[in-house]
Formats: sequence, C-alpha cells, structure tokens
Amino acid sequence: DAGVTQSPTHLIKTRGQQVTLRCSPKSGHDTVSWYQQALGQGPQFIFQYYEEEERQRGNFPDRFSGHQFPNYSSELNVNALLLGDSALYLCASSLRGSGGYTFGSGTRLTVV
Amino acid sequence: GDSVTQMEGPVTLSEEAFLTINCTYTATGYPSLFWYVQYPGEGLQLLLKATKADDKGSNKGFEATYRKETTSFHLEKGSVQVSDSAVYFCALRESRGSTLGRLYFGRGTQLTVWP
Repeated sequence: DAGVTQSPTHLIKTRGQQVTLRCSPKSGHDTVSWYQQALGQGPQFIFQYYEEEERQRGNFPDRFSGHQFPNYSSELNVNALLLGDSALYLCASSLRGSGGYTFGSGTRLTVV
Repeated sequence: GDSVTQMEGPVTLSEEAFLTINCTYTATGYPSLFWYVQYPGEGLQLLLKATKADDKGSNKGFEATYRKETTSFHLEKGSVQVSDSAVYFCALRESRGSTLGRLYFGRGTQLTVWP
C-alpha cells in the first residue's frame, strides 16, 4: 500500500520563475494539505484541499496556489519565486473526519 | 491563536541516557497533540499522539502525557539509542469538527545520541 508520493524530490529554480509540485495521497485518503518547512524550522501550514476546493489557508501570499484533481492528487504552484521560498515542501494526506495525517518525504526546492 | 513552544536543541546524549524534550502549547478548544520524528533527508513520521487530557501516547519506548492543567506534552524515553538520533517536532491539531484541522508545529529539537 503506497503512502504519500511527492514529485520531484529535488528542484532548483531561478528567482522570478514559477514552479509546480505534485502529490499523490495515500490510497483511501481524500484530503491533501501542504506545508512549507524552512531549514531549521518546523513545518508551516500553507493550505488544505478537499473535494477539489481550498478549505483552509495559512498565512501565505497569493503567489502560492493549489489544485486538487478528481483522483484526489494535488499540485502546489508558486509564482514569482523568491529566495525565501527555498524550503522543503511537504504534502500530507488524510481521510476527512477520521484518522490522522500521513506525510510524504517532501520536495526540496532551492531558489537561486 | 494556537501555537506550540518546544525546547530548543540541540540535545546530545550518551546511549542509554534518559531523554526529556519539553513542549507546551496554547490553544482554544480541545486540540489533539502529537510528536513527529524526522530523520535526515526524510519527511515526518508520526511517533505518538494523545487526543484528550490525561491520555498517554507511547511508541518505541517513547512516552508523552497530555497535561491540560500545565498545557504540556513533554516527550520522554528511559534509555535512548544511537538510532533515535533525529529531529523531533511537537505539534497540535486544532479541534475543527468533522474536518481534520491544520497542524501547528514547534521549531523542532535535534537529538544526537553517541555510542
């Protein structure tokens, strides 16, 4: 039973560019959340998707946007990249109303 | 708003030593509390959890008790091993009805265990 799968594992982008990160949730899960973990810090909540809609959002600018597809997979898009966007981006899936979160191994984004 | 304050590291111990990592929280309602562990280059793994006051979570020799009176959830292990070396995060999940609430994390505590 596959857990949460994230791609790519590593990515290097230039300031001002746009990036798309992908997440496939654990089998049976219908909700996807995204977190940003800067070096030496705890993860910070970006947003959560359920039924293809954004349900909760953390304190991140509109440059951060997302999408959830009918198969529950999700994308995180970041526009106009800044050096400060360099971080590990974690995807977590869950089943609405029950259980807990399962985290993926993350995508390491480096902005140069 | 909800928040977690976690003992800062790094923490360095010899094998078989006793471990305590302090965690306190601020929350409205009745949050659930968690400890996650992160090994180098990996994502987060759930170590243990407690969903209501006085619950004790335990796993792999680690324990933590949900103390509402002191708003704490300290992580303990009686005898650490080299393989326990990792970063440990305390987290709370807001109570949010039928939808799983967001997680609030502490800054993490780096634990290094020497043989």
